[in-house]
Amino acid sequence: DTGVSQNPRHKITKRGQNVTFRCDPISEHNRLYWYRQTLGQGPEFLTYFQNEAQLEKSRLLSDRFSAERPKGSFSTLEIQRTEQGDSAMYLCASSRSGTGVGTDTQYFGPGTRLTVL
Amino acid sequence: LAKTTQPISMDSYEGQEVNITCSHNNIATNDYITWYQQFPSQGPRFIIQGYKTKVTNEVASLFIPADRKSSTLSLPRVSLSDTAVYYCLVGDMNTGFQKLVFGTGTRLLVSP
Repeated sequence: DTGVSQNPRHKITKRGQNVTFRCDPISEHNRLYWYRQTLGQGPEFLTYFQNEAQLEKSRLLSDRFSAERPKGSFSTLEIQRTEQGDSAMYLCASSRSGTGVGTDTQYFGPGTRLTVL
Repeated sequence: LAKTTQPISMDSYEGQEVNITCSHNNIATNDYITWYQQFPSQGPRFIIQGYKTKVTNEVASLFIPADRKSSTLSLPRVSLSDTAVYYCLVGDMNTGFQKLVFGTGTRLLVSP
């Protein structure tokens, strides 16, 4: 399977703990995105990388959140001092930059479901 | 990014054709229209993308009128497995990156 992969698929943690999620994009994709989705809502943009550079962060990404893509390949999303409001599905997507139909189409991974007790 | 409006939900039966219309009155010249499908506890899955007229792939067709202020996703002969949430998005493919803005989507329920 050469799609986007995310690990772990599920994470249960206690309030105040730190958690880290990993995303492995499609190999030839240079862009990587993180989204958050709560029940009944569509995904919300969190942050975006082009290669290893983090180019934009949503205001949803508080100081407790940090994302990295050290070598322009996989990415990690860390949440420090988790709160119950952080409970959500965290989705990763990747795309290949370009112009025209079919390029820069984002392909999503299966997500990591976080439950903060 | 252009705002989109879709029906909250639709019901259909197996074997029928389903058409989901999305309104995007403020679509810009460089915006493309993209549809995603999402099953519970899974990430959205890309279905189809277009700029104008009609686009067809093995899964669906996308109809876009000349004014591009709306688009219709057509699913031929749906099955129970097509029960999902469908999202319509518009975005500029030429600005360097596309920050997808999802609405609440259309919940399609296919019954036997």
